[in-house]
Amino acid sequence: EIVLTQSPGTLSLSPGERATLSCRASQSVSSYLAWYQQKPGQAPRVLIYDASKRATGIPARFSGSGSGTDFTLTISSLEPEDFAVYFCQQRRSWPLTFGGGTRVQIK
Amino acid sequence: EVQLLESGGGLVQPGGSLRLSCAASGLTFRSFAIHWVRQAPGKGLEWVSGLIGSDANTHYADSVKGRFTISRDNSNNTLYLQMNSLRAEDTAVYYCAKGLAASPNWFDPWGQGTLVTVSS
Repeated sequence: EIVLTQSPGTLSLSPGERATLSCRASQSVSSYLAWYQQKPGQAPRVLIYDASKRATGIPARFSGSGSGTDFTLTISSLEPEDFAVYFCQQRRSWPLTFGGGTRVQIK
Repeated sequence: EVQLLESGGGLVQPGGSLRLSCAASGLTFRSFAIHWVRQAPGKGLEWVSGLIGSDANTHYADSVKGRFTISRDNSNNTLYLQMNSLRAEDTAVYYCAKGLAASPNWFDPWGQGTLVTVSS
């Protein structure tokens, strides 16, 4: 099973600041990594898939990069609605696995 | 617009069974992969099971293999998860999620979830 480790666990930032979230895989997942956002009381939604492709309707301030074992989700300038929990997920091999999540909170 | 609506959650005793349903609208159901993902209270996401493609290949997490069965009824656009031999650690909100057209194993959209509580 591929283990995904996200860091940091919590990120405290102000609106307008840049957020950089990390996801590290226990073995190579090539570019088969996605990022999801989850707000309290809501289901997750996909932001980025195949490491760097923005899903339909996702603002350009969200970008993904990386390949192999190290990946980054960047939010270029935080909007109030971006404060949420973010999860990475791999589809390189079964079982599909998620990282433990990074909470982005208001400083 | 694709919409997914889960139902069937509730309180069940350890060792008991429950069947979850996920009603889909706005899509040709048989053409897409569809998955179950769960989230224990206050915890992260755990993929549970997926049904892939028109030939309906099934996959399971090790934690549920042999106890849970995923299936679908194309005639009424409904996905099921039969859960047997339930344990306390199965307590979670269960989401169904459709695979992206670009790739079957990315999840979007998701339903709103149904809560399963396993407790005596």
